[in-house]
Amino acid sequence: EAGVAQSPRYKIIEKRQSVAFWCNPISGHATLYWYQQILGQGPKLLIQFQNNGVVDDSQLPKDRFSAERLKGVDSTLKIQPAKLEDSAVYLCASSLDRPNIQYFGAGTRLSVL
Amino acid sequence: KQEVTQIPAALSVPEGENLVLNCSFTDSAIYNLQWFRQDPGKGLTSLLLIQSSQREQTSGRLNASLDKSSGRSTLYIAASQPGDSATYLCAAYSGGGADGLTFGKGTHLIIQP
Repeated sequence: EAGVAQSPRYKIIEKRQSVAFWCNPISGHATLYWYQQILGQGPKLLIQFQNNGVVDDSQLPKDRFSAERLKGVDSTLKIQPAKLEDSAVYLCASSLDRPNIQYFGAGTRLSVL
Repeated sequence: KQEVTQIPAALSVPEGENLVLNCSFTDSAIYNLQWFRQDPGKGLTSLLLIQSSQREQTSGRLNASLDKSSGRSTLYIAASQPGDSATYLCAAYSGGGADGLTFGKGTHLIIQP
């Protein structure tokens, strides 16, 4: 069974630029999560989708972050414009249903200079 | 709001020793608690999940316990090996409207050969 796929693995941008991350969950998994992990911290949930609907985005900085999950499969997370404090690893996870074990991708490491 | 704390932040022990990692949470009304392993540059791998009705779970050399009344969980690793070197994260799931996990900051474990 293929795992959660994320791309790119690494991204370096300058502040005020835009960036987008992509996630392909495990086939058949209805629930998809985006987490932000700042160095030395545990992951923090940014947004949760159930199919293509948003379940929770209370910790998503909506003035600069946006996410979508078209057709209830792949998802993209965008930051526009990026700030220095956005430097982190962005992890995507999926689960078969709610609630259930979450399977994580390898993450995208973002450095904002 | 759920808060998860892990002690110690870092631990270095000789190969072959048994060791215990600690996790505490502030809200005892959890649905389950999960232990993850994170290797550098990689995503999170689920090790053990303990439902709120359970007291412990075992997988190979790993044993996780849960005491909801005291708000504590421990991960016991028997006969440690250099390959166990990683960061170990515990995460609480409290249920409710969203399924996001609340993570601790992790324990960075080094097993000396």
